[in-house]
Amino acid sequence: SQKIEQNSEALNIQEGKTATLTCNYTNYSPAYLQWYRQDPGRGPVFLLLIRENEKEKRKERLKVTFDTTLKQSLFHITASQPADSATYLCAREGENSGYALNFGKGTSLLVTP
Amino acid sequence: GAGVSQSPRYKVAKRGQDVALRCDPISGHVSLFWYQQALGQGPEFLTYFQNEAQLDKSGLPSDRFFAERPEGSVSTLKIQRTQQEDSAVYLCASSLAGGGKSNQPQHFGDGTRLSIL
Repeated sequence: SQKIEQNSEALNIQEGKTATLTCNYTNYSPAYLQWYRQDPGRGPVFLLLIRENEKEKRKERLKVTFDTTLKQSLFHITASQPADSATYLCAREGENSGYALNFGKGTSLLVTP
Repeated sequence: GAGVSQSPRYKVAKRGQDVALRCDPISGHVSLFWYQQALGQGPEFLTYFQNEAQLDKSGLPSDRFFAERPEGSVSTLKIQRTQQEDSAVYLCASSLAGGGKSNQPQHFGDGTRLSIL
């Protein structure tokens, strides 16, 4: 079955530290991975997309890596702030429908002052 | 509007009733998606439209679920004879272009929270 797994436990870190979230996938390898942020009661908001031939991608304080050998993507937030507290979702395209997204459960991040 | 708009934001219905959920995508977006999100889970794909054509409905849980996008813009997700297990947040998303791989961001609405009593 299609499976994409994220850190099962919530992640609590102190303001200013780097948060690292993990996304592992099984079965087929995606051509792309996308990361989204979701706040309570809101829809997911797109953050970054990384292609299989890109090892790393950055946007401001965000960095995503994609290791096709390990079948893993890491999502980093540097100099974290309390406003970064949210659930972060990893997604790949569906195996049989390249346009639909197959999401993980998400990792809840709490940044404390 | 600037983003994807969904209505109603909250819907409470009794088991057995029919419900209709509306999605207004970003103007000009060709692709439209419906997802279902249970509490503590990621969104699960339901169905996909490219303009008015429903190209994929493989994620619809049963034949009680029906979606349409007759003019290629607004979409409605209808659930007939609702059951308690239909309780979830229903998210709509749109993206600019159609077809191909999911190499584009999807823009999500804030969803409709459906509660079946």
